[in-house]
Amino acid sequence: DAKTTQPPSMDCAEGRAANLPCNHSTISGNEYVYWYRQIHSQGPQYIIHGLKNNETNEMASLIITEDRKSSTLILPHATLRDTAVYYCIVRVLGGYQKVTFGTGTKLQVIP
Amino acid sequence: DTEVTQTPKHLVMGMTNKKSLKCEQHMGHRAMYWYKQKAKKPPELMFVYSYEKLSINESVPSRFSPECPNSSLLNLHLHALQPEDSALYLCASSSRTGTNTEAFFGQGTRLTVV
Repeated sequence: DAKTTQPPSMDCAEGRAANLPCNHSTISGNEYVYWYRQIHSQGPQYIIHGLKNNETNEMASLIITEDRKSSTLILPHATLRDTAVYYCIVRVLGGYQKVTFGTGTKLQVIP
Repeated sequence: DTEVTQTPKHLVMGMTNKKSLKCEQHMGHRAMYWYKQKAKKPPELMFVYSYEKLSINESVPSRFSPECPNSSLLNLHLHALQPEDSALYLCASSSRTGTNTEAFFGQGTRLTVV
């Protein structure tokens, strides 16, 4: 699986959009970008994934650059409950998921 | 039902004890995983089961013994642990086929070895 690079921490004001970047410059053509988050002392939670097109679901939007070397997870209206560590992972689709977590970004939503 | 249920939530055990962690899912997932997470660190993969067979063992010491008795259950048997094995143990499951193969995680068992 390709390696990812994320900033260690970010702050975001409550109600504003949180934009979390991820660099995956060595991503292969068949690897997807997945995002998970882990709220303190809970299990990681799947957020979204995509290959090359932008994706949106009820939790977030995922913007992947045209060259697929980086992506941004967008939480459109951050709340205090979005305070968590966010992990960006790249891997192939299917089979079983050998999900290897990097160090992630600690997002602090500020009132 | 999109839940992965882990029991117990907390466990304190002595270094000579034998205990087991249990994980259960009813999503029909045929891949199940154990992860270990130390404080302020990301989860680390320990074992992967695929169709009830052990597919990956990430060089985990033999004092950790996984078992997958059926497609819904995953156990982790613990014996002669050390204090440094104290951590949050996470179970996860995923579908092996289709486009939605994201992993679903349980809330973990917080293990303290004394």
